[in-house]
Amino acid sequence: DVKVTQSSRYLVKRTGEKVFLECVQDMDHENMFWYRQDPGLGLRLIYFSYDVKMKEKGDIPEGYSVSREKKERFSLILESASTNQTSMYLCASSSPTDTNYGYTFGSGTRLTVV
Amino acid sequence: QKEVEQNSGPLSVPEGAIASLNCTYSDRVSQSFFWYRQYSGKSPELIMSIYSNGDKEDGRFTAQLNKASQYVSLLIRDSQPSDSATYLCAVSLNSGGYQKVTFGTGTKLQVIP
Repeated sequence: DVKVTQSSRYLVKRTGEKVFLECVQDMDHENMFWYRQDPGLGLRLIYFSYDVKMKEKGDIPEGYSVSREKKERFSLILESASTNQTSMYLCASSSPTDTNYGYTFGSGTRLTVV
Repeated sequence: QKEVEQNSGPLSVPEGAIASLNCTYSDRVSQSFFWYRQYSGKSPELIMSIYSNGDKEDGRFTAQLNKASQYVSLLIRDSQPSDSATYLCAVSLNSGGYQKVTFGTGTKLQVIP
């Protein structure tokens, strides 16, 4: 019954590495989002996409990029990982036609950059 | 002023009591309001949404919205230890043709057996 799948639950990467976080949803949702969650700071929006090949910057896009080549897949890329990007990364999807218009989140990826 | 404010807690209630979680928001044109539950180490899960002033009930949960006071709350009746989690308030508004959702930092609820 998994609807939003994130490729890794835990990830450890070295400073300077290029990191790919993958997210796939099977609900045919148009909208997809990447957040990071840090203690005391809550959920902060990195990037979002409302359609294939479309992307918009969120509140904290610096150091990140995204790719959406197919409707079901939204990838987050850390161009050159840094220790301040150690965080929980959450992917979410939603549909504007959904009566609740809420988000369905993936299980999250806890990334540690050493 | 934060866009969405919640008391971080922890809010401790005895089992069987009513837990009351509160949230205020700053943007008067906000349109949709959501409550998510997040267990420790897990991702948020949508439990309630509300769009109109008044109350909306779903089982043991009641969401209350007062747009004039820019206030939304979540009541949990007959609280159970399994309700112990962090509850996130989220507020949505139309911004530049998109729905912009802002989350509060969450209130940690502890239900004491």
